[in-house]
Formats: sequence, structure tokens, C-alpha cells
Amino acid sequence: DIQMTQSPSTLSASIGDRVTITCRASQSINSWLAWYQQKPGKAPNLLISKASILENGAPSRFSGSGSGTEFTLTISSLQPGDFAIYYCQQYKSYPYTFGQGTKLEI
Amino acid sequence: QVQLQESGPGLVKPSQTLFLTCSVSGGSISSGGYYWGWIRQHPGTGLEWIGYIHSSGNTFFYPSLQRRSTISRDTSKNQFSLTLSSVTSADTAVYYCARRFPIAGYFDTWGQGALVTVSS
Repeated sequence: DIQMTQSPSTLSASIGDRVTITCRASQSINSWLAWYQQKPGKAPNLLISKASILENGAPSRFSGSGSGTEFTLTISSLQPGDFAIYYCQQYKSYPYTFGQGTKLEI
Repeated sequence: QVQLQESGPGLVKPSQTLFLTCSVSGGSISSGGYYWGWIRQHPGTGLEWIGYIHSSGNTFFYPSLQRRSTISRDTSKNQFSLTLSSVTSADTAVYYCARRFPIAGYFDTWGQGALVTVSS
């Protein structure tokens, strides 16, 4: 299985901050990576696909980059609703696997 | 807009079989080339893909769960279901049904989730 490792596990930040979350794959996944946001008690919500394609409805302050084994999710200016857990997921090969999550907290 | 909703018992006894159904509205599970799947999340931890069924009826499973898992569908009701046999406490989790995009493996629509507790 391809292992996905996110860092940091927890990130403390403030409103207006620019933050970056990293996701590393144990082998190359090209750009076959998605990012999800999960708020407490809710299902994950797709933010970004193919490493950098922002989904319809996702705020433009979110951006993704990277290819191969290293990827980043950047939030340009944190808003109150952004405090959540973020997951990456590879879909290069079965079984599809998720990172362990990064909790973004105040 | 496609919507998914999980339903099923919230409590299952050890060694018994877990059964969940996902009702889909706003789109047909038998067309469009989509995959209809199950993902679970153990309490306080990350996400684990279980498997899915393609609009053609083909199924795919996470290898470690394949032996105990079945995914079936009822196209007349536009529902698909997960069966997980011989459950243990390790199967306690929130179970989500989700739709996988046809030509890529990300999940673009999710149900709200159903907590299943395995306990005697």
C-alpha cells in the first residue's frame, strides 16, 4: 500500500495567518492527490483534486501544489470556518489511502 | 445535486454481521460510470476506504477487508449496501457512503455518516 504521511499533525494558527500543510507519499503518485476538509461531526468535504484543482464551491484562499511524492495545501488567509481537520488521499493505485490528518486549531 | 444517506443498526454484537444501506437521490447508481463506496473512520482517527461498487455492478475492496466485505446494490431503490461479517470491536467506526468520480479516485460526494458500535 502507498503510505501517506501528513505534517504537522496539529497546527496552531490565528485568523488571517497563511498556513501550509504537507503530505508525503511513500512512492510517486504523480498528481493523483486529493485534499479534504472535515469539521467536527461532519463528513469530509472535497477541496482539491489532482493536487491543485480547486473544487467548485471551495474558497479561492485554498490552493494545492506538488507532484510525485510531496504535496502541500495552503490557506492564504485563515478564516474562522477553516479550523478543521485536513486529509490528503492518493488515488494513484489501489488501495486508495488517506493521510492521518492535520488538525488546524486556533 | 446528488445526495447520499446511510441507514442501519447503530449497535452490532461481536461476531455478528454489520449491514448498512446507502440511499442515493439526485442521480442513478447504475449510470454515469460512477463508483459508489464505503469509507469508515474509527473514533478520533483517520479514514479507511472499504470498497465500492461501480455503476456496472463490479466491486472493489480494500484487501484486508475483502474477505469479510460484500457490497451489493438494489437499482430499483437506487440503494447500495455494505455487509461486514464477523465484526469485532475494531470495526466500531463511523461509516460513510460516498461517490467516487468516474475517471479519478477521489470522493466528491459523501453521506453524513452512520456510527456503528460493536459491543455485547
